[in-house]
Amino acid sequence: DSGVTQTPKHLITATGQRVTLRCSPRSGDLSVYWYQQSLDQGLQFLIQYYNGEERAKGNILERFSAQQFPDLHSELNLSSLELGDSALYFCASSVVQGTGLMNTEAFFGQGTRLTVV
Amino acid sequence: AQSVAQPEDQVNVAEGNPLTVKCTYSVSGNPYLFWYVQYPNRGLQFLLKYITGDNLVKGSYGFEAEFNKSQTSFHLKKPSALVSDSALYFCAVREPYSGNTPLVFGKGTRLSVIA
Repeated sequence: DSGVTQTPKHLITATGQRVTLRCSPRSGDLSVYWYQQSLDQGLQFLIQYYNGEERAKGNILERFSAQQFPDLHSELNLSSLELGDSALYFCASSVVQGTGLMNTEAFFGQGTRLTVV
Repeated sequence: AQSVAQPEDQVNVAEGNPLTVKCTYSVSGNPYLFWYVQYPNRGLQFLLKYITGDNLVKGSYGFEAEFNKSQTSFHLKKPSALVSDSALYFCAVREPYSGNTPLVFGKGTRLSVIA
């Protein structure tokens, strides 16, 4: 158990709909990352939050958005869903070392499998 | 920008034989390198990392990886493969000294250990 919790585990929804994926990071971790895993694209970085603020953006569509709340949990919102959005969505967390050296690994949740029909 | 390449989509090895899963990287400066494993319907599990120091890094489940700066490689190895090692393996890189940056992953290599 990595300590990162994602809900729900599975989600089936129709095209055009909107869903929210939730992530609770490991206790003490300030950074949350969202990744999308699809068969043909591998693991794609979407977005990162650090202590409530957006830190980095990857290949995230404009239809997708995220936020990190004061208790450090994060939500990924996916709207106007298309068939191609069907994928496994992972959340990961890590803690920033005091020196700022980025040598810490990220810990992953079990993922949310989204199926758009 | 940093990147990682895993040149093999699939690696097959007989149980008891040594295994190698290849990874090469591209990053400015000294990289932080990671290996993760993903079992079916599971999240990614951290195996090992290279930050600095000894080029041979030991990790979980008997895995190790060798950092080779001149060849920009970070191959994952295990002396004797088990059927239970069959999984999807990801190499990842993080650019150092550039802030709290995300891991960049390779496309993954599927390892199949045959009894």
